[in-house]
Amino acid sequence: NAGVMQNPRHLVRRRGQEARLRCSPMKGHSHVYWYRQLPEEGLKFMVYLQKENIIDESGMPKERFSAEFPKEGPSILRIQQVVRGDSAAYFCASSGEILNTEAFFGQGTRLTVV
Amino acid sequence: AQSVTQLGSHVSVSEGALVLLRCNYSSSVPPYLFWYVQYPNQGLQLLLKYTTGATLVKGINGFEAEFKKSETSFHLTKPSAHMSDAAEYFCAVRPSSGNTGKLIFGQGTTLQVKP
Repeated sequence: NAGVMQNPRHLVRRRGQEARLRCSPMKGHSHVYWYRQLPEEGLKFMVYLQKENIIDESGMPKERFSAEFPKEGPSILRIQQVVRGDSAAYFCASSGEILNTEAFFGQGTRLTVV
Repeated sequence: AQSVTQLGSHVSVSEGALVLLRCNYSSSVPPYLFWYVQYPNQGLQLLLKYTTGATLVKGINGFEAEFKKSETSFHLTKPSAHMSDAAEYFCAVRPSSGNTGKLIFGQGTTLQVKP
């Protein structure tokens, strides 16, 4: 039973390029959460999705960031026109239908903008 | 709004000594409470959680935490530190009501274990 899979593990982008981060939740999980971890800081919630729906995007920057979780395939976090301040570790977590069960985290994608 | 405060960004203990990592939360309603551990360049692993019931919760690797409603605290302890415990530890809360599993994290505490 594979855990939460994120790819790529490391991503380097030049300023102005687009970054696409993928997250495949654990089998049977339909809830996906994205978090961002800046250097020397804790994780900050970005967005919560269920299949084909964005439930809570209160942590998403207003511009350049978007997320989706299509009916088929992984969840995608997309960052357009990246800037140096986007450099961070981005973690995905998934959980099952019962909300008081734990969320399982992927190993993260470390984005470096040069 | 809910928030989490971890007192002490760095804690250093000797191998075999007691580990105490502090976590206080702010919430009008007792939330669900979690401790996660993160090893370098890895994701987060759940150590333990409190949802309802017994306020003393035992987790993996010999860790435990006690939910104290009157103190709005959920401190993490381990009687005897091991070198392999060196990592970053995060306390997190989640609303006990509402339709969300969103977690709010503290800033993290880096645990150093000296031989």
